[in-house]
Amino acid sequence: AQKITQTQPGMFVQEKEAVTLDCTYDTSDPSYGLFWYKQPSSGEMIFLIYQGSYDQQNATEGRYSLNFQKARKSANLVISASQLGDSAMYFCAMREESYNTDKLIFGTGTRLQVFP
Amino acid sequence: EAGVTQFPSHSVIEKGQTVTLRCDPISGHDNLYWYRRVMGKEIKFLLHFVKESKQDESGMPNNRFLAERTGGTYSTLKVQPAELEDSGVYFCASSQDEYRDITEAFFGQGTRLTVV
Repeated sequence: AQKITQTQPGMFVQEKEAVTLDCTYDTSDPSYGLFWYKQPSSGEMIFLIYQGSYDQQNATEGRYSLNFQKARKSANLVISASQLGDSAMYFCAMREESYNTDKLIFGTGTRLQVFP
Repeated sequence: EAGVTQFPSHSVIEKGQTVTLRCDPISGHDNLYWYRRVMGKEIKFLLHFVKESKQDESGMPNNRFLAERTGGTYSTLKVQPAELEDSGVYFCASSQDEYRDITEAFFGQGTRLTVV
């Protein structure tokens, strides 16, 4: 069965510093997709970045980058130049696909707090 | 363009009562998903609609949960009768054509359900 593990329940980072949020995954499927979502205190889930299993390069979206290490089955999110508004819950997720389903498997999340 | 909207944002009900949650997906999105996060745990898949059809309902906890999507537009999730363990945040998400390479799901702000 597919599984996502986020081992950091909480992280602190100073404003303008970079921070890495860990995510490891387990799957036997050769084709999969990995996502990161941000959940601010307002509650909505905001899509941040996507990495496909066959993508040769690490995904980047502005200040977000995904450190994809396929052999280690890790997909860590790197946030550069942290801002106070980055304080939120962050969820790593993997897309599970089969002939009759298309759903996301989530980790337990990491709460990031950015301080001045 | 309006995002995924969920109603109500919060609901407090007594054990044994009935509650109906509503989700309006992004216009034109055929795929609609329900997820749930119980306090401190990972977000778990409940079910997936493609238009008005239930594509996958393997995550529905039991027969006290009933989801509908009449006409392939908005969806409702009814819990009847509610139990204490049903408390959590219920998320709805929608996405476009499932055959696209990247089909990130756009989430609503969630409905926080508290059963007392």
